[in-house]
Amino acid sequence: DAGVTQSPTHLIKTRGQHVTLRCSPISGHKSVSWYQQVLGQGPQFIFQYYEKEERGRGNFPDRFSARQFPNYSSELNVNALLLGDSALYLCASSYLGSGELFFGEGSRLTVL
Amino acid sequence: SQQGEEDPQALSIQEGENATMNCSYKTSINNLQWYRQNSGRGLVHLILIRSNEREKHSGRLRVTLDTSKKSSSLLITASRAADTASYFCATDAPRSGAGSYQLTFGKGTKLSVIP
Repeated sequence: DAGVTQSPTHLIKTRGQHVTLRCSPISGHKSVSWYQQVLGQGPQFIFQYYEKEERGRGNFPDRFSARQFPNYSSELNVNALLLGDSALYLCASSYLGSGELFFGEGSRLTVL
Repeated sequence: SQQGEEDPQALSIQEGENATMNCSYKTSINNLQWYRQNSGRGLVHLILIRSNEREKHSGRLRVTLDTSKKSSSLLITASRAADTASYFCATDAPRSGAGSYQLTFGKGTKLSVIP
């Protein structure tokens, strides 16, 4: 069975640009979460979606937004990129929105 | 913000030795999990221990939880070079709303197992 897939794996943007990251959860999983991991730190929670509704939002500015589609895949959008947005963005899925999370390999964003 | 704090930040041991990592957290929890991450790649779930459990085993892994001290430890026995990775504890606090779920991760312990 396919795991959580994320795209793109690497991307480079310049300050002020916009980025869209995509995530496909494990088949049958209805919950998708997004985490940001800055180098040397642990992942920080950004958003969680369950059954296509936002169920949780971390302490991130409004430049960050996300959505979940009817097939449970998800997008994370970041507007007006700042240098500090450079990080590994991790998507995770789970069946019921609790317990063990299954992570993708991440999208590494570099903002120049 | 990071709730969990792992200790030590870095640990270097010889193959075959045991590795112990500790995690402290601040608020009440539903469960505590440990994850492993190889070289900035995705995280892999290792083990979950519920707040009403004190100890759990999975293969070479042993996790303890002390809710009175708000701390947990992960023991990896008979370590192998392939165990070299970063290890994170993550807590799930009691939450409101159906389907809401978020984990709070610590900063991690970087384990190096020397062959």
